[in-house]
Amino acid sequence: DAGVIQSPRHEVTEMGQEVTLRCKPISGHNSLFWYRQTMMRGLELLIYFNNNVPIDDSGMPEDRFSAKMPNASFSTLKIQPSEPRDSAVYFCASSFEWGYTFGSGTRLTVV
Amino acid sequence: DAKTTQPTSMDCAEGRAANLPCNHSTISGNEYVYWYRQIHSQGPQYIIHGLKNNETNEMASLIITEDRKSSTLILPHATLRDTAVYYCIVRVTEAGGTSYGKLTFGQGTILTVHP
Repeated sequence: DAGVIQSPRHEVTEMGQEVTLRCKPISGHNSLFWYRQTMMRGLELLIYFNNNVPIDDSGMPEDRFSAKMPNASFSTLKIQPSEPRDSAVYFCASSFEWGYTFGSGTRLTVV
Repeated sequence: DAKTTQPTSMDCAEGRAANLPCNHSTISGNEYVYWYRQIHSQGPQYIIHGLKNNETNEMASLIITEDRKSSTLILPHATLRDTAVYYCIVRVTEAGGTSYGKLTFGQGTILTVHP
């Protein structure tokens, strides 16, 4: 099992550009979560899906952020347009029952 | 989900037991206690969880008080690689162990294991 796979590992982009982060959950896991981590705010849940359906997106900071899960093996988090304050590490996690597994994260820098 | 309180930081000597406390005085009867840790620059890693009985696995032991208002994570023989931020989280798990609810992370305890 390769675990939760996120890409890219690092992303540097200019303010105003569109950014797409990708996540492949563990096969068989039915829930997927997107988190953001910054020094100031710690780990924040942005959105989570169950069986590919968004359950709670109350953590999505604003309309510039959107997330999709078109099938059980793939999810994206898109920021359009990106801003310097979006710089953070973005983690994807998947779970089945009680066990959560996190990916290695995508470090996003918006300049 | 119930809120948790943890010390900001703790130190431990290598080879000794590390005992990390967590207060969750408002925990409900159907909420489990979970522990995760995050080693620098990595994603959080599951350690252990429990409802009301003490639990042990290859990584750690979890001691939950009888009133369930607090718990302690024990790393029996801490190593330098155990230096990390440790998060105590309480959350609802549906009957039968199936859950798709969210994990809400607090600030955690920074554990530093020194030689």
